[in-house]
Amino acid sequence: GENVEQHPSTLSVQEGDSAVIKCTYSDSASNYFPWYKQELGKRPQLIIDIRSNVGEKKDQRIAVTLNKTAKHFSLHITETQPEDSAVYFCAASRNSGNTPLVFGKGTRLSVIA
Amino acid sequence: KAGVTQTPRYLIKTRGQQVTLSCSPISGHRSVSWYQQTPGQGLQFLFEYFSETQRNKGNFPGRFSGRQFSNSRSEMNVSTLELGDSALYLCASMRTGVGTEAFFGQGTRLTVV
Repeated sequence: GENVEQHPSTLSVQEGDSAVIKCTYSDSASNYFPWYKQELGKRPQLIIDIRSNVGEKKDQRIAVTLNKTAKHFSLHITETQPEDSAVYFCAASRNSGNTPLVFGKGTRLSVIA
Repeated sequence: KAGVTQTPRYLIKTRGQQVTLSCSPISGHRSVSWYQQTPGQGLQFLFEYFSETQRNKGNFPGRFSGRQFSNSRSEMNVSTLELGDSALYLCASMRTGVGTEAFFGQGTRLTVV
């Protein structure tokens, strides 16, 4: 089955700097890659996702890149703000069928003001 | 529209007991997945139900089971509780399953003493 590795497990950045979180996956048939943000005491929420037919997707200060050949994808947050502090999870799955959405172990991002 | 509702929010059980958790997905969503969240382990997949059928199952012992009803509400049961079962149990509602956005409930915090 699918296995998703996520690094780093913790990340501290100064406010205004960029943050990058990287994930690798094992199933070459995976083609859907979402990212979830979980603030303290709250539920995970989708912040951005990418499908295998594109290499990059942006939404304001966040972007995700995908390298299918190398089987890795990354989350980039620019101009970080204190409210970006949270745990971020990457995930991977096939587009449909009998495979689950598999998550990485998460990255705790701390943005220091 | 109403979000994903999990009940109860908190539970304290004794080793050896059994517990049942409930999840009501978003109206119209047919897929419900269950995850166990523990510090450092991220979101570990338990199982997914779609139209009352278990479609996927994670690598958890048989003490963990679930079901889905015709109205898409799902329950998960853990029998013969162990201390290591203490965790936040999250359910995720998806319209059709993987490849679409997963909406999480607030979770049930289970403590086994």
